[in-house]
Amino acid sequence: KAGVTQTPRYLIKTRGQQVTLSCSPISGHRSVSWYQQTPGQGLQFLFEYFSETQRNKGNFPGRFSGRQFSNSRSEMNVSTLELGDSALYLCASSLGDRDPDTQYFGPGTRLTVL
Amino acid sequence: AQSVTQLGSHVSVSEGALVLLRCNYSSSVPPYLFWYVQYPNQGLQLLLKYTTGATLVKGINGFEAEFKKSETSFHLTKPSAHMSDAAEYFCAVRDNTDKLIFGTGTRLQVFP
Repeated sequence: KAGVTQTPRYLIKTRGQQVTLSCSPISGHRSVSWYQQTPGQGLQFLFEYFSETQRNKGNFPGRFSGRQFSNSRSEMNVSTLELGDSALYLCASSLGDRDPDTQYFGPGTRLTVL
Repeated sequence: AQSVTQLGSHVSVSEGALVLLRCNYSSSVPPYLFWYVQYPNQGLQLLLKYTTGATLVKGINGFEAEFKKSETSFHLTKPSAHMSDAAEYFCAVRDNTDKLIFGTGTRLQVFP
């Protein structure tokens, strides 16, 4: 099976712009979670989508949003970019309806905000 | 609330030496614990996981971890380090809303 894919891998934006990141989960996985990784804060959970519904949300401002499509692909959007949004954004997919569930991560999108 | 503490942000070992990366957890419910590895400029790769059952868990690349409830620990070990093991290692616990709570990571250096 193909793994989790994320596009683009690298992105450079300027402050105030918005950005959309994409994640395609492993075939058959219905849950997609997003994490932000920075040197200062480490790995922090953004949100999780399951069957097109946001099921879980971390402590991030409303500028961070996401959605999931019927084929389980997910997008994450960040509006009004700030310098502090520079990070590696990781998406993880899982079956989502089993206990225990295991998350499998993609390679990440490295966002640089200038 | 669940949390994870990784002792030692950097660990250095010689090639062939024992690798020991420490992880302690806090959880109000029976924990599900994970170790992930991250190579430079890559995502996280699952090394192993503990859910229920056998407390000694074997993972990929010769790594294993032992769940010790009395010590609230889930330390990662490998008998003999290889140069290719140099990476950052993250311990994580699944919280009661099913999201992963990660430790701050341990960077492993392997010297020839």
